[in-house]
Amino acid sequence: DAKTTQPNSMESNEEEPVHLPCNHSTISGTDYIHWYRQLPSQGPEYVIHGLTSNVNNRMASLAIAEDRKSSTLILHRATLRDAAVYYCILRLYSGAGSYQLTFGKGTKLSVIP
Amino acid sequence: DVKVTQSSRYLVKRTGEKVFLECVQDMDHENMFWYRQDPGLGLRLIYFSYDVKMKEKGDIPEGYSVSREKKERFSLILESASTNQTSMYLCASIEAPGRGNIQYFGAGTRLSVL
Repeated sequence: DAKTTQPNSMESNEEEPVHLPCNHSTISGTDYIHWYRQLPSQGPEYVIHGLTSNVNNRMASLAIAEDRKSSTLILHRATLRDAAVYYCILRLYSGAGSYQLTFGKGTKLSVIP
Repeated sequence: DVKVTQSSRYLVKRTGEKVFLECVQDMDHENMFWYRQDPGLGLRLIYFSYDVKMKEKGDIPEGYSVSREKKERFSLILESASTNQTSMYLCASIEAPGRGNIQYFGAGTRLSVL
């Protein structure tokens, strides 16, 4: 199974950009890369996903390496509300209407006022 | 907005009790999931269901069972609770199998087994 590797923790100053890395060296051609985050005392929430091309949405940007073995979640201006655990997840399709999810241990992002 | 609702935020049970964790989603999603989350271990998939009455084992199904009698409801059952099942339990749903679909999570149930 393809796995992800993320740093355990990172720090950022408020209103500065944050780059959260993820390595997934055994990714296959059909695996999408998803990012979720989990705020304290809440369930995870979707942030962004992509396959090959870089992606932008109102929350963040996702930069995917050309060989797809790594990706970076970019928060353009960190706020205190962005302090959370960020998960890089590979979504695998197993066929027959089912699929598996591989959650890494996540990166705990601290935002310093 | 998609809503995934877990019946309890906190539960305290005794060893050997039968425990039911309920999850309801309001968007007619076909796929539903149960995870447990423990410090240092991240989220681990217990069971999932891709249709009514259908279920598949995840990574750690031992000690758990599930029930999906209606599309909107997915129940996790601990037949005989043990202290090592003290954890945060998260329910999630997704509309159809596919690589790009978004998964929606409930707020979680923190279960303590004494």
